[in-house]
Amino acid sequence: DIQMTQSPSSLSAAVGDRVTITCRASQSITTYLNWYQQKPGTAPKVLIYAASNLQSGVPSRFSGSGSGTDFTLTISSLQPEDFGTYYCQQSYSTPRTFGPGTKVDIK
Amino acid sequence: QVQLVQSGAEVKKPGASVKVSCKASGFTFSSYYMHWVRQAPGQGLEWMGIINPTGDSTSYAQKFQGRITMARDTSTSTVYMELSSLRSEDTAVYYCARAARISMSGGIIADWFDPWGQGSLVTVSS
Repeated sequence: DIQMTQSPSSLSAAVGDRVTITCRASQSITTYLNWYQQKPGTAPKVLIYAASNLQSGVPSRFSGSGSGTDFTLTISSLQPEDFGTYYCQQSYSTPRTFGPGTKVDIK
Repeated sequence: QVQLVQSGAEVKKPGASVKVSCKASGFTFSSYYMHWVRQAPGQGLEWMGIINPTGDSTSYAQKFQGRITMARDTSTSTVYMELSSLRSEDTAVYYCARAARISMSGGIIADWFDPWGQGSLVTVSS
Protein backbone atom coordinates (compact mmCIF):
# COMPACT_ATOMS: atom_id res chain seq x y z
CA ASP A 1 0.00 0.00 0.00
CA ILE A 2 1.12 3.55 -0.68
CA GLN A 3 1.57 5.54 2.53
CA MET A 4 0.76 9.23 2.54
CA THR A 5 2.18 11.71 5.04
CA GLN A 6 1.35 15.39 5.53
CA SER A 7 2.98 18.29 7.30
CA PRO A 8 2.29 20.15 9.39
CA SER A 9 -0.39 18.28 11.29
CA SER A 10 -1.93 21.59 12.29
CA LEU A 11 -1.38 25.28 11.77
CA SER A 12 -2.82 28.59 12.81
CA ALA A 13 -2.61 31.53 10.43
CA ALA A 14 -4.05 35.00 10.04
CA VAL A 15 -6.46 36.16 7.39
CA GLY A 16 -4.45 37.13 4.33
CA ASP A 17 -1.53 34.83 5.11
CA ARG A 18 -0.07 32.48 2.53
CA VAL A 19 -0.45 28.90 3.74
CA THR A 20 1.40 25.87 2.45
CA ILE A 21 0.65 22.23 3.25
CA THR A 22 2.90 19.45 2.04
CA CYS A 23 2.08 15.84 1.23
CA ARG A 24 4.53 13.03 0.57
CA ALA A 25 3.89 9.59 -0.92
CA SER A 26 5.92 6.51 -0.02
CA GLN A 27 6.55 5.86 -3.71
CA SER A 28 6.08 7.76 -6.95
CA ILE A 29 2.46 8.45 -7.80
CA THR A 30 3.27 10.76 -10.75
CA THR A 31 0.44 13.30 -10.55
CA TYR A 32 -2.29 11.02 -9.18
CA LEU A 33 -2.82 13.24 -6.14
CA ASN A 34 -5.98 14.97 -4.94
CA TRP A 35 -6.65 17.48 -2.17
CA TYR A 36 -9.82 17.74 -0.07
CA GLN A 37 -11.13 20.18 2.50
CA GLN A 38 -13.36 18.97 5.31
CA LYS A 39 -15.25 21.17 7.75
CA PRO A 40 -16.57 19.77 11.04
CA GLY A 41 -19.70 17.67 10.62
CA THR A 42 -19.62 17.70 6.84
CA ALA A 43 -18.31 15.49 4.07
CA PRO A 44 -14.98 16.27 2.43
CA LYS A 45 -14.98 18.42 -0.70
CA VAL A 46 -12.44 18.15 -3.49
CA LEU A 47 -10.28 21.21 -4.11
CA ILE A 48 -7.56 19.99 -6.46
CA TYR A 49 -7.39 16.88 -8.63
CA ALA A 50 -4.44 15.39 -10.50
CA ALA A 51 -1.99 17.43 -8.41
CA SER A 52 -2.62 20.85 -9.94
CA ASN A 53 -6.09 21.06 -11.44
CA LEU A 54 -8.57 23.33 -9.67
CA GLN A 55 -12.00 21.77 -9.24
CA SER A 56 -14.80 23.80 -10.77
CA GLY A 57 -16.23 26.28 -8.29
CA VAL A 58 -13.20 26.28 -5.99
CA PRO A 59 -11.69 29.73 -5.39
CA SER A 60 -8.51 30.50 -7.31
CA ARG A 61 -6.58 31.21 -4.10
CA PHE A 62 -6.18 27.44 -3.83
CA SER A 63 -3.47 25.85 -5.93
CA GLY A 64 -1.61 22.56 -6.06
CA SER A 65 1.77 21.52 -7.34
CA GLY A 66 4.18 18.62 -7.36
CA SER A 67 4.79 15.26 -8.96
CA GLY A 68 6.42 11.99 -8.07
CA THR A 69 6.43 11.81 -4.28
CA ASP A 70 6.21 15.43 -3.11
CA PHE A 71 3.19 17.69 -3.38
CA THR A 72 2.04 21.05 -2.09
CA LEU A 73 -1.31 22.71 -1.51
CA THR A 74 -1.11 26.48 -1.28
CA ILE A 75 -3.71 28.97 -0.14
CA SER A 76 -2.44 32.28 -1.45
CA SER A 77 -4.46 34.50 0.89
CA LEU A 78 -6.19 32.72 3.75
CA GLN A 79 -9.84 33.60 4.22
CA PRO A 80 -12.04 33.06 7.31
CA GLU A 81 -14.01 30.32 5.55
CA ASP A 82 -10.85 28.29 4.88
CA PHE A 83 -10.78 26.75 8.36
CA GLY A 84 -11.02 22.98 8.43
CA THR A 85 -8.93 19.90 7.84
CA TYR A 86 -7.14 19.28 4.57
CA TYR A 87 -6.38 15.81 3.26
CA CYS A 88 -4.29 14.60 0.38
CA GLN A 89 -5.23 11.32 -1.34
CA GLN A 90 -3.50 9.19 -3.95
CA SER A 91 -5.39 7.68 -6.87
CA TYR A 92 -2.38 5.91 -8.38
CA SER A 93 -3.31 2.51 -7.07
CA THR A 94 -5.74 0.52 -4.96
CA PRO A 95 -6.16 0.72 -2.05
CA ARG A 96 -6.72 4.43 -2.29
CA THR A 97 -5.02 6.08 0.67
CA PHE A 98 -5.29 9.42 2.41
CA GLY A 99 -2.86 11.52 4.32
CA PRO A 100 -3.54 11.99 8.05
CA GLY A 101 -4.80 15.53 7.53
CA THR A 102 -3.71 19.07 8.33
CA LYS A 103 -5.98 21.10 10.58
CA VAL A 104 -6.09 24.80 9.69
CA ASP A 105 -7.27 27.35 12.23
CA ILE A 106 -7.74 31.05 11.72
CA LYS A 107 -5.89 33.24 14.22
CA GLN B 1 -27.89 18.68 -9.34
CA VAL B 2 -25.47 15.82 -8.79
CA GLN B 3 -26.28 14.39 -5.40
CA LEU B 4 -25.77 11.35 -3.18
CA VAL B 5 -28.23 10.85 -0.33
CA GLN B 6 -27.40 8.24 2.29
CA SER B 7 -29.52 6.32 4.76
CA GLY B 8 -29.83 7.40 8.36
CA ALA B 9 -27.90 6.70 11.51
CA GLU B 10 -27.78 3.18 12.90
CA VAL B 11 -27.00 1.70 16.30
CA LYS B 12 -25.84 -1.89 16.26
CA LYS B 13 -24.62 -4.41 18.80
CA PRO B 14 -21.22 -6.06 18.49
CA GLY B 15 -21.37 -9.00 16.11
CA ALA B 16 -24.28 -7.62 14.12
CA SER B 17 -24.30 -6.38 10.52
CA VAL B 18 -25.19 -3.01 9.06
CA LYS B 19 -26.26 -2.09 5.55
CA VAL B 20 -25.89 1.51 4.43
CA SER B 21 -27.52 2.81 1.26
CA CYS B 22 -26.60 5.69 -1.01
CA LYS B 23 -29.07 6.97 -3.61
CA ALA B 24 -27.70 8.88 -6.58
CA SER B 25 -29.39 11.54 -8.66
CA GLY B 26 -28.46 14.12 -11.25
CA PHE B 27 -26.08 11.93 -13.25
CA THR B 28 -25.96 8.68 -15.21
CA PHE B 29 -25.50 6.30 -12.30
CA SER B 30 -24.70 3.29 -14.48
CA SER B 31 -21.61 5.01 -15.91
CA TYR B 32 -19.70 5.56 -12.69
CA TYR B 33 -17.61 3.60 -10.22
CA MET B 34 -18.60 4.23 -6.63
CA HIS B 35 -16.43 4.24 -3.50
CA TRP B 36 -17.04 3.88 0.23
CA VAL B 37 -14.90 5.75 2.77
CA ARG B 38 -15.27 5.85 6.53
CA GLN B 39 -14.17 8.18 9.29
CA ALA B 40 -13.99 7.17 12.94
CA PRO B 41 -14.74 9.91 15.50
CA GLY B 42 -11.96 12.49 15.50
CA GLN B 43 -9.92 10.47 13.02
CA GLY B 44 -8.93 10.65 9.37
CA LEU B 45 -10.42 9.17 6.24
CA GLU B 46 -10.18 5.46 5.45
CA TRP B 47 -10.94 3.98 2.04
CA MET B 48 -13.03 0.82 2.20
CA GLY B 49 -13.63 -0.26 -1.36
CA ILE B 50 -14.98 0.36 -4.85
CA ILE B 51 -17.68 -1.14 -7.06
CA ASN B 52 -17.71 -0.93 -10.85
CA PRO B 53 -20.56 0.57 -12.90
CA THR B 54 -22.25 -2.74 -13.62
CA GLY B 55 -21.89 -4.05 -10.09
CA ASP B 56 -20.12 -7.25 -11.07
CA SER B 57 -16.69 -6.28 -9.84
CA THR B 58 -15.57 -4.99 -6.48
CA SER B 59 -12.27 -4.30 -4.78
CA TYR B 60 -12.03 -4.05 -1.03
CA ALA B 61 -9.35 -2.85 1.34
CA GLN B 62 -7.53 -5.80 2.83
CA LYS B 63 -8.62 -4.71 6.30
CA PHE B 64 -12.28 -5.39 5.47
CA GLN B 65 -11.93 -8.51 3.35
CA GLY B 66 -14.43 -11.15 4.44
CA ARG B 67 -16.62 -8.66 6.30
CA ILE B 68 -17.68 -6.21 3.59
CA THR B 69 -20.03 -6.47 0.64
CA MET B 70 -20.77 -3.74 -1.86
CA ALA B 71 -23.64 -3.93 -4.31
CA ARG B 72 -25.64 -1.62 -6.53
CA ASP B 73 -29.12 -1.47 -8.02
CA THR B 74 -29.23 0.38 -11.31
CA SER B 75 -33.04 0.44 -11.33
CA THR B 76 -33.05 2.66 -8.24
CA SER B 77 -29.63 4.31 -8.72
CA THR B 78 -28.60 3.07 -5.30
CA VAL B 79 -25.36 1.62 -4.03
CA TYR B 80 -25.09 -0.39 -0.83
CA MET B 81 -22.36 -1.25 1.64
CA GLU B 82 -22.85 -4.02 4.17
CA LEU B 83 -20.37 -4.60 6.98
CA SER B 84 -20.69 -7.67 9.18
CA SER B 85 -19.24 -8.88 12.48
CA LEU B 86 -19.30 -5.34 13.79
CA ARG B 87 -17.04 -4.32 16.65
CA SER B 88 -16.72 -1.10 18.60
CA GLU B 89 -13.87 0.04 16.33
CA ASP B 90 -16.33 0.13 13.43
CA THR B 91 -18.11 3.09 15.00
CA ALA B 92 -17.70 5.74 12.32
CA VAL B 93 -19.34 7.93 9.75
CA TYR B 94 -19.59 6.02 6.47
CA TYR B 95 -19.52 7.96 3.21
CA CYS B 96 -20.27 6.95 -0.35
CA ALA B 97 -18.56 8.91 -3.10
CA ARG B 98 -18.69 8.94 -6.86
CA ALA B 99 -15.46 8.26 -8.72
CA ALA B 100 -15.10 11.35 -10.87
CA ARG B 101 -12.77 10.70 -13.80
CA ILE B 102 -11.22 12.64 -16.63
CA SER B 103 -8.80 11.79 -19.39
CA MET B 104 -5.77 14.03 -19.41
CA SER B 105 -2.77 14.49 -21.63
CA GLY B 106 -0.22 11.72 -21.67
CA GLY B 107 -2.84 9.02 -21.32
CA ILE B 108 -3.44 9.76 -17.66
CA ILE B 109 -6.94 9.13 -16.33
CA ALA B 110 -7.27 11.22 -13.22
CA ASP B 111 -9.88 10.19 -10.69
CA TRP B 112 -11.08 11.63 -7.43
CA PHE B 113 -14.04 11.44 -5.06
CA ASP B 114 -16.81 13.82 -6.06
CA PRO B 115 -19.44 14.27 -4.87
CA TRP B 116 -19.72 12.65 -1.46
CA GLY B 117 -22.85 11.59 0.35
CA GLN B 118 -23.73 13.37 3.56
CA GLY B 119 -22.48 10.46 5.65
CA SER B 120 -24.19 7.81 7.76
CA LEU B 121 -23.20 7.42 11.41
CA VAL B 122 -22.94 3.81 12.53
CA THR B 123 -22.53 3.30 16.25
CA VAL B 124 -21.53 -0.12 17.55
CA SER B 125 -22.27 -0.49 21.22
CA SER B 126 -23.50 -3.16 23.59
